[in-house]
Amino acid sequence: NAGVMQNPRHLVRRRGQEARLRCSPMKGHSHVYWYRQLPEEGLKFMVYLQKENIIDESGMPKERFSAEFPKEGPSILRIQQVVRGDSAAYFCASSPNRGHSGNTIYFGEGSWLTVV
Amino acid sequence: AQSVTQPDIHITVSEGASLELRCNYSYGATPYLFWYVQSPGQGLQLLLKYFSGDTLVQGIKGFEAEFKRSQSSFNLRKPSVHWSDAAEYFCAVGALNQGGKLIFGQGTELSVKP
Repeated sequence: NAGVMQNPRHLVRRRGQEARLRCSPMKGHSHVYWYRQLPEEGLKFMVYLQKENIIDESGMPKERFSAEFPKEGPSILRIQQVVRGDSAAYFCASSPNRGHSGNTIYFGEGSWLTVV
Repeated sequence: AQSVTQPDIHITVSEGASLELRCNYSYGATPYLFWYVQSPGQGLQLLLKYFSGDTLVQGIKGFEAEFKRSQSSFNLRKPSVHWSDAAEYFCAVGALNQGGKLIFGQGTELSVKP
């Protein structure tokens, strides 16, 4: 059973470009979460999605950031017009459903974004 | 405010020595508690979790943690540390109605001396 798959693992973008990060949840998982880890900091929740629905985006910056989890295909975290402060590791996690098992999330290997 | 505090940013222990990593939380609802470990450049691996029941929980790699409601703590322990345990350890708290929306501590970096 494959784990949470993220790609790319490393991404370099120039200021002003767009970054797209992809996440395929574990098989059988229908809930996806995105977290951001800034240098020397812990993880911060960004957004919680189910298929075709954003459940909680309280941690998403108000501008330039968006996320989707379409009916078919991976979840996408999109950052428009990147700035140096967006440089971070972005982690995707998934869980099977709500309830106790839904609280246990499994992380991918992360996507490291560097903005130059 | 909801928060998780890991008071120790960096801990160094000798191989074979015992280990305790501290975690204190502030959370309005009944907390679900987790410990994750992260090796450099890698994702987070779940070590153990507490939802309810026995307050002493066993995890992988010989780790255990004890939930103490009166102290709002969930400290991680291991009786004998191995060099391969060197990594960053994160404590996190969530709640039943929050799904996988967790609040993480700042992390404790563990170094192991030979």
